Amino acid sequence: GDSVTQMEGPVTLSEEAFLTINCTYTATGYPSLFWYVQYPGEGLQLLLKATKADDKGSNKGFEATYRKETTSFHLEKGSVQVSDSAVYFCALTTSHSGNTPLVFGKGTRLSVIA
Amino acid sequence: DVKVTQSSRYLVKRTGEKVFLECVQDMDHENMFWYRQDPGLGLRLIYFSYDVKMKEKGDIPEGYSVSREKKERFSLILESASTNQTSMYLCASTSGRAASAETQYFGPGTRLLVL
Repeated sequence: GDSVTQMEGPVTLSEEAFLTINCTYTATGYPSLFWYVQYPGEGLQLLLKATKADDKGSNKGFEATYRKETTSFHLEKGSVQVSDSAVYFCALTTSHSGNTPLVFGKGTRLSVIA
Repeated sequence: DVKVTQSSRYLVKRTGEKVFLECVQDMDHENMFWYRQDPGLGLRLIYFSYDVKMKEKGDIPEGYSVSREKKERFSLILESASTNQTSMYLCASTSGRAASAETQYFGPGTRLLVL
């Protein structure tokens, strides 16, 4: 079945450091890919998404590029802030109608220290 | 803005109790989902529903049931709570009407402790 593998955490960085969180996937067909973020004490919220190969999703300084050849969707940010401390989830769906649930990775906890 | 609300942020129940977790969305969404979130396991799908009175099992439905009598409300029921159901429960919804991959909107979660 479809699956998502993301790097184990926790990840601890100093403020202004460069962030990469790796995500690779296995899926039949052509999935859409997502990054969700969960801030402390909250539910998940969409950070960015990409629906086809070579698309780049971006939001709040975060970016991820849909790489079909390497089945990857790595999350990057050039300069992290303390407020970016959260759990990040990579996810996919092969449905384009929203009727099929997302398949999530296990999450990567990021802590940014001042 | 889409709003997904869950009836409780924290719940403490005893083993064997029947537990109801309620989720309401205010955007006329067709699809609703229940997940549980556990450290090291990420989010696992319990049940989902793509229409009133319709339900589909997810990856871990054992020990749970659901009810969707109205479009906006999706209830998760623990028939006889057990300690291994101590977890964070997250509800989500999507409109089901988009032409491309949809955002799932999540509630804030209910942290359930079963003693």
